[in-house]
Amino acid sequence: KQEVTQIPAALSVPEGENLVLNCSFTDSAIYNLQWFRQDPGKGLTSLLLIQSSQREQTSGRLNASLDKSSGRSTLYIAASQPGDSATYLCAVFYGGSQGNLIFGKGTKLSVKP
Amino acid sequence: DAGITQSPRHKVTETGTPVTLRCHQTENHRYMYWYRQDPGHGLRLIHYSYGVKDTDKGEVSDGYSVSRSKTEDFLLTLESATSSQTSVYFCAISEGTGFYQPQHFGDGTRLSIL
Repeated sequence: KQEVTQIPAALSVPEGENLVLNCSFTDSAIYNLQWFRQDPGKGLTSLLLIQSSQREQTSGRLNASLDKSSGRSTLYIAASQPGDSATYLCAVFYGGSQGNLIFGKGTKLSVKP
Repeated sequence: DAGITQSPRHKVTETGTPVTLRCHQTENHRYMYWYRQDPGHGLRLIHYSYGVKDTDKGEVSDGYSVSRSKTEDFLLTLESATSSQTSVYFCAISEGTGFYQPQHFGDGTRLSIL
């Protein structure tokens, strides 16, 4: 069964710290991997999409890397801010007829002022 | 902004009643999806659509049906709601004309079945 795991489930850091969120997947035959942010009571906001042929993608203070062979992706957040507090979800796309994403359960990030 | 509107945003209903949730998009994307989000399970696909009148089942489709009569609207129906269908429901769309594009999500519908 294709599974996506995110560790830790929760993380609390002081403002200004650089941090890494982890995502692992059991089947390395992915097409792409997407990172989302979810604020309480809100929908998902797409942050970054990495295609299987890419090693990393950057957007502002965010950098996502992908290592297919080891079944891992990391989301690096530089100079964290209280506004970064949210749940971060990793989702993997394996192709196939359904086209659905397989989601991890998320890492809840709290950045303290 | 992916131009996705879900309605209603909140609904409370009783077991055994029919419920229809609506997803409306303004971007004319071909692919649309319905997911549910539950504590301990993450998001799981219910049904998806790859065009007008073209739909198929996802991982947790039992008890749900969908319809897509227009490109912009994707409806999710619970024919006879049960308490196990209490959840937050999200609609998503794929950019472009293929699966292999980012998915963008609506703000969700919080459904409580008493």
